[in-house]
Amino acid sequence: GENVEQHPSTLSVQEGDSAVIKCTYSDSASNYFPWYKQELGKGPQLIIDIRSNVGEKKDQRIAVTLNKTAKHFSLHITETQPEDSAVYFCAANPGGSQGNLIFGKGTKLSVKP
Amino acid sequence: DVKVTQSSRYLVKRTGEKVFLECVQDMDHENMFWYRQDPGLGLRLIYFSYDVKMKEKGDIPEGYSVSREKKERFSLILESASTNQTSMYLCASSISGRAQETQYFGPGTRLLVL
Repeated sequence: GENVEQHPSTLSVQEGDSAVIKCTYSDSASNYFPWYKQELGKGPQLIIDIRSNVGEKKDQRIAVTLNKTAKHFSLHITETQPEDSAVYFCAANPGGSQGNLIFGKGTKLSVKP
Repeated sequence: DVKVTQSSRYLVKRTGEKVFLECVQDMDHENMFWYRQDPGLGLRLIYFSYDVKMKEKGDIPEGYSVSREKKERFSLILESASTNQTSMYLCASSISGRAQETQYFGPGTRLLVL
């Protein structure tokens, strides 16, 4: 079945620096890769997603890149701010399914003022 | 805005008790999911449902069952709670299974089994 590996597990950056979180997946049939942000005391919330027919997608300070050949995708946050501090999860849809997701183990991002 | 609500934020139960965790979504979503979240293990899928009275096992269904009698409500049942089921439980919903769609999560229920 699908396996999603996420690195690093913790990441600390200075405000204004960039942060990069990387994920790899195992199932070549996966075609949907969302990223979720979980703030303290809340459920995860989608921040950006990418489908396998696209190599890169941007939304203001957030971007995601996908390398289908290498089976990895990354989240890039530029000009980090303290409110970016949270746990970030990547995910992939196993077997190209149109319902469930397999999540990575999460990255705790801390942005120091 | 999509709203997914969970019946309790915190719950304390005794070993052997039957536990019901309720989840309600207000956007007529077809898909609903139950995950558990543990430190260092991320989100693991317990069960999901594509329609009323339909259910599919996720990665860790052992010790759990689910019920979906109405479209908006998806219940997770711990038939006989055990201490290793102490965890954060997250419910989510998405529009349909016709295309990959955003999953919307509730705030979670933190369950402690003594």
